[in-house]
Amino acid sequence: EVQLVESGGGLVQPGRSLRLSCAASGFTFDDYAMHWVRQAPGEGLDWVSGISWNSGSIGYADSVKGRFTISRDNAKNSLYLQMNSLRAEDTALYYCAKGRREMAFDIWGQGTMVTVSS
Amino acid sequence: QSALTQPPSASGSPGQSVTISCTGTSSDVGGYNYVSWYQQHPGKAPKLMIYEVSKRPSGVPDRFSGSKSGNTASLTVSGLQAEDEADYYCSSYAGSNYVFGTGTKVIVL
Repeated sequence: EVQLVESGGGLVQPGRSLRLSCAASGFTFDDYAMHWVRQAPGEGLDWVSGISWNSGSIGYADSVKGRFTISRDNAKNSLYLQMNSLRAEDTALYYCAKGRREMAFDIWGQGTMVTVSS
Repeated sequence: QSALTQPPSASGSPGQSVTISCTGTSSDVGGYNYVSWYQQHPGKAPKLMIYEVSKRPSGVPDRFSGSKSGNTASLTVSGLQAEDEADYYCSSYAGSNYVFGTGTKVIVL
């Protein structure tokens, strides 16, 4: 079964850091790009960052550039998101998503909630 | 990186059709044939319904169809069923990033 399982979310104070992880199974992880997409409570979807299969191409939304770092470990079938200098507006459910070659997101995890509050 | 514009809601009776628009710019929707659509039920993860403007992943009913003209993409749901009631989001590749639409709630009357 193809599956993505996120972890690492929680309550964190503004300005602090958090590292999210995504464990992949059921497909050849190192064949595909991977992404982080977030959804604030009651709001729409918001692409955060993406990384190519070999980490050679990485992209970030302007809202997180310079604060968030995406990475992957193909040997561990895992995707990561290091989030620094967190702000209240980063509060959201963070989804890990598998990238399709046709620039779409075809497999999604259930998400991990990040709450930034003092 | 402004969000693509979608109507907040759309509705139809069972068996009818509903069409959702998704308007962007020449830097996203108009510049690439990489528009995708996602269905999201409350409390659930999004599900890919359409990719590359008009292609359906396996398992998605052919009641769902997509198209694009200029800077506007559209999703049509034909033969509406109760289980189609959900939020729908478009997305477009935009060069070095991706942008999602504002979302449309489809209501089955």
